[in-house]
Amino acid sequence: DAGITQSPRYKITETGRQVTLMCHQTWSHSYMFWYRQDLGHGLRLIYYSAAADITDKGEVSDGYVVSRSKTENFPLTLESATRSQTSVYFCASSKTDYGYTFGSGTRLTVV
Amino acid sequence: QQQVKQSPQSLIVQKGGISIINCAYENTAFDYFPWYQQFPGKGPALLIAIRPDVSEKKEGRFTISFNKSAKQFSLHIMDSQPGDSATYFCAASPGSGYSTLTFGKGTMLLVSP
Repeated sequence: DAGITQSPRYKITETGRQVTLMCHQTWSHSYMFWYRQDLGHGLRLIYYSAAADITDKGEVSDGYVVSRSKTENFPLTLESATRSQTSVYFCASSKTDYGYTFGSGTRLTVV
Repeated sequence: QQQVKQSPQSLIVQKGGISIINCAYENTAFDYFPWYQQFPGKGPALLIAIRPDVSEKKEGRFTISFNKSAKQFSLHIMDSQPGDSATYFCAASPGSGYSTLTFGKGTMLLVSP
């Protein structure tokens, strides 16, 4: 199906473990984004990408890394998960840098 | 530093009433102002957006009012319905080149039957 898909939908991991959240879009949109959503903080930008092999840090990038070897994929990796990274993570894509389309999110719990 | 301030944090409106959510921004380079609607368990979805060359944009029951001099914009939901109960986010972007959206903290709207 066309669209933007995030996986897994839910994830529980232990402190210190590496975890990767996947994001795949079928529109060949140039721009992709990762946000985290926390109560009282709204949506905060983690990383973004204008094209394959072009990525930039957002407001809350510490502890996260991204890659974009293919236009359609934009995985987000937590190198060593901490409890403060418990959150709902949203991936988004855009044909231009307006009008984002968001995925359904990954709820990550770090215990 | 929060660049987009949204209020209120939560809002309860009776069915048929008008829901009003306000946002203020600081960065004068912002020139694209969208509103997103989010239902529980779902990602935010673009609802309506405005650029500073107009003061108002209406789509059905949803209207954005924009005041460039005050650096404020608001979402009005006319004839609010229980199905409008959701979290609403305002956002802003410089909109030129490689830029990103800065979101407000969100407003939880409950429309009572």
